[in-house]
Amino acid sequence: ETGVTQSPTHLIKTRGQQVTLRCSSQSGHNTVSWYQQALGQGPQFIFQYYREEENGRGNFPPRFSGLQFPNYSSELNVNALELDDSALYLCASSLREVSYEQYFGPGTRLTVT
Amino acid sequence: GNSVTQMEGPVTLSEEAFLTINCTYTATGYPSLFWYVQYPGEGLQLLLKATKADDKGSNKGFEATYRKETTSFHLEKGSVQVSDSAVYFCALSDQSAQKLVFGQGTRLTINP
Repeated sequence: ETGVTQSPTHLIKTRGQQVTLRCSSQSGHNTVSWYQQALGQGPQFIFQYYREEENGRGNFPPRFSGLQFPNYSSELNVNALELDDSALYLCASSLREVSYEQYFGPGTRLTVT
Repeated sequence: GNSVTQMEGPVTLSEEAFLTINCTYTATGYPSLFWYVQYPGEGLQLLLKATKADDKGSNKGFEATYRKETTSFHLEKGSVQVSDSAVYFCALSDQSAQKLVFGQGTRLTINP
């Protein structure tokens, strides 16, 4: 069974640029959630995708957007990057119909300069 | 809204000491409760869970009991090891299972 994978591992961008982060869900899972973890803080929920539809969103502006593909992998897109977007971005997958458990990937460390 | 409050860190203990990390929550309905652990440079790993009142979650010597009357889910371990050094997060999932709400994390350091 393959766990959750994310790419890239690290990324450095300039303020105003756009970034795309990728996540492959664990085998058999149909739900992907994205979280932002600022340094020294707990993760904050960005949004969740279930069967290719957005299924809940946290308190993040519209420049944070996402996609889920038929194979349940997912992308997180952030436009017009700001310095405060620097964080660890975590993807978690789950099988919504069975359990509340979410399994996390290793994260992508984004630095905005 | 739902929220989770953890004891302030960092916590430093000697090997074989008893560990308690306090966690209380505010939620409507009957959330599921979790403890996640994050080792340096890594993502989050699910440590244990409890889905209803009085349930006890346990794993790798860690335990936590879902106490609805005190809205608490304190993490305990009887004898910690150096390898337990990490950041621990308490979290809840609401009944819609849309998202996890995390506490701020507690950094634990175990000295030999």
